[in-house]
Amino acid sequence: AQSVAQPEDQVNVAEGNPLTVKCTYSVSGNPYLFWYVQYPNRGLQFLLKYITGDNLVKGSYGFEAEFNKSQTSFHLKKPSALVSDSALYFCAVRDRSGNTGKLIFGQGTTLQVKP
Amino acid sequence: GAVVSQHPSWVICKSGTSVKIECRSLDFQATTMFWYRQFPKQSLMLMATSNEGSKATYEQGVEKDKFLINHASLTLSTLTVTSAHPEDSSFYICSASLGTGYQPQHFGDGTRLSIL
Repeated sequence: AQSVAQPEDQVNVAEGNPLTVKCTYSVSGNPYLFWYVQYPNRGLQFLLKYITGDNLVKGSYGFEAEFNKSQTSFHLKKPSALVSDSALYFCAVRDRSGNTGKLIFGQGTTLQVKP
Repeated sequence: GAVVSQHPSWVICKSGTSVKIECRSLDFQATTMFWYRQFPKQSLMLMATSNEGSKATYEQGVEKDKFLINHASLTLSTLTVTSAHPEDSSFYICSASLGTGYQPQHFGDGTRLSIL
């Protein structure tokens, strides 16, 4: 079965420090990969996606993600965290072979950035 | 670009009433729209996928007659929760996509539904 795992329910980091939010997936073939962020009582905001090519993808608000095919991972990173980055982060994948457009979401990781 | 508007943002109503939620793609035509339900501190649960001019495809376990979805145009999809009961209280989120490939889904801000 296809699945996405975000092994950490919560990540705590001090402001100014680098952050990593982990994501691994189990999907056949080479899926499209996405990261979204959700602030309280809001919908999801798109951060970045991986389609093909360079394994390091840059996105919105200074976030980037590294695709690792051998480890089937797509970890979200930021060199210097801000308190305003505190939110719920979702990794999602879409099977390239499918035509439904459905996303498979991870369970989410709460990022807490402390001043 | 790629703005999705969802309305209302919050609704409180009595048990037994029906509630309609609208989802509009404001600056693009969405071939596909999705409806999700989210419980507190949890991930999104896909309820159904809708394509303009055709019947929605519901996920297993989602009652079609309970959650009516209409996708009348390339910019508007509606979800109607019929005869709502307290257990239907939840956060409902829609999304819209330009296509089913590498284009991301763009999400509305959600609707907080509270049934008394």
